[in-house]
Amino acid sequence: DVKVTQSSRYLVKRTGEKVFLECVQDMDHENMFWYRQDPGLGLRLIYFSYDVKMKEKGDIPEGYSVSREKKERFSLILESASTNQTSMYLCASSFERVINNEQFFGPGTRLTVL
Amino acid sequence: QQPVQSPQAVILREGEDAVINCSSSKALYSVHWYRQKHGEAPVFLMILLKGGEQKGHDKISASFNEKKQQSSLYLTASQLSYSGTYFCGTEIVNNNDMRFGAGTRLTVKP
Repeated sequence: DVKVTQSSRYLVKRTGEKVFLECVQDMDHENMFWYRQDPGLGLRLIYFSYDVKMKEKGDIPEGYSVSREKKERFSLILESASTNQTSMYLCASSFERVINNEQFFGPGTRLTVL
Repeated sequence: QQPVQSPQAVILREGEDAVINCSSSKALYSVHWYRQKHGEAPVFLMILLKGGEQKGHDKISASFNEKKQQSSLYLTASQLSYSGTYFCGTEIVNNNDMRFGAGTRLTVKP
C-alpha cells in the first residue's frame, strides 16, 4: 500500500519561529511536491522537486524554502513564520515522466502561526 | 496559471447528476481529477491526456476538449459517498508541473 506521511497533523508555532514540515514517501517516487490549501483558493504549489537536491519554485515560494537530501524525504521550511502562513500544508509524490503520473498525497499538516 | 473550476459548490439529492467544469487559458497536455473528502487527503480519480478519449469508471466520467482547453467531470446517479471537494489539475507539458483549480464542493443529500 503506497504511503506518503507527514510529520505532524497539527502544529502551532509563534511568529518568527523557524518551522520544519517533513514529508516521507515509500514508493521510490522521483517527484515530490509541497502545496498549501486555503478555502476558496484550492491547492497552490509552493515548491516541487524532481530529484535529490533539485528543486523548482511553484507559484507561491516566498517565505518558504525546501530541502531534499534523500529521495524519500522532502522538507518544507518556513524561515520566519508569519500569521499569513497559517494554512493546511499538503505533500505529494509521483513518478517521473510516466503517462499516468498520479500524485499521491499525505494527510496534511494544519499549521497555525500565532 | 491555475485552471478555473465551476461551479464553486453544488448540492444534490441522491440519484441526481452533476457536471463540474475546468478550463485553462493555456493549451494543455493533461487534466487530472481528484476528490478530497472532509479531513482526508485528495485522491486521484482519473487522468485525461491530449489526444485521448473520454474516461470513466463506475458512474464518474470525464471528457477533455483540447480545442477549448476544457475538461468536464460527470457524476451520474450521485451517491452519498460522492460528497467532497473535486479538484482538477492541469499540465501544459508532460513535466509533472501541475496546477490545481480552486475546487468544487459537492454535497449529496439523502
